[in-house]
Amino acid sequence: DGGITQSPKYLFRKEGQNVTLSCEQNLNHDAMYWYRQDPGQGLRLIYYSQIVNDFQKGDIAEGYSVSREKKESFPLTVTSAQKNPTAFYLCASSTGQVQETQYFGPGTRLLVL
Amino acid sequence: QKEVEQDPGPLSVPEGAIVSLNCTYSNSAFQYFMWYRQYSRKGPELLMYTYSSGNKEDGRFTAQVDKSSKYISLFIRDSQPSDSATYLCAMSGATDSWGKLQFGAGTQVVVTP
Repeated sequence: DGGITQSPKYLFRKEGQNVTLSCEQNLNHDAMYWYRQDPGQGLRLIYYSQIVNDFQKGDIAEGYSVSREKKESFPLTVTSAQKNPTAFYLCASSTGQVQETQYFGPGTRLLVL
Repeated sequence: QKEVEQDPGPLSVPEGAIVSLNCTYSNSAFQYFMWYRQYSRKGPELLMYTYSSGNKEDGRFTAQVDKSSKYISLFIRDSQPSDSATYLCAMSGATDSWGKLQFGAGTQVVVTP
């Protein structure tokens, strides 16, 4: 059963703490993406990766970091430098071709304690 | 000004009515147009995909693209309470966009029994 999984479903962060959100896909897609969703603001691109060991900043990369060591995995770390991390985080993947659409995971909701 | 504009709603309709959603955009290079449906606290799922101008129909859903007016629409006929969700438009194909999508803010739709 192909798809994208994200874990955990809910994540709580304390002040000054780094937390890592997991994203795994078994669709054999080259490209992967991380979005942040806030109420009324649609999806904003944080980071994207076109291929293993390469990634690019999106529109709101400050306070976030990523790695792409395996084709299947694209974890996102929310660092303590991100002052307003409470949001719904979505991971997506695609073949990377301009005409191809993106497939989304179920999302992780991050809350600050 | 945002590259893709979408009225956030909420849009409330009675069951059985036609739901009409739309997005406008400013970048004439966009060629690929998508509508995603997102239920509360879930990841978006692809609903309709259209290339260039024209209409596409899939069951109760019709997507229209008017590139001359930079305007896309989604119509839902015989709406059901299960259609209550947020609908996001997305588009790609600009020369420097590679596989990236530009999203609208999403329109919340409520279908009342």
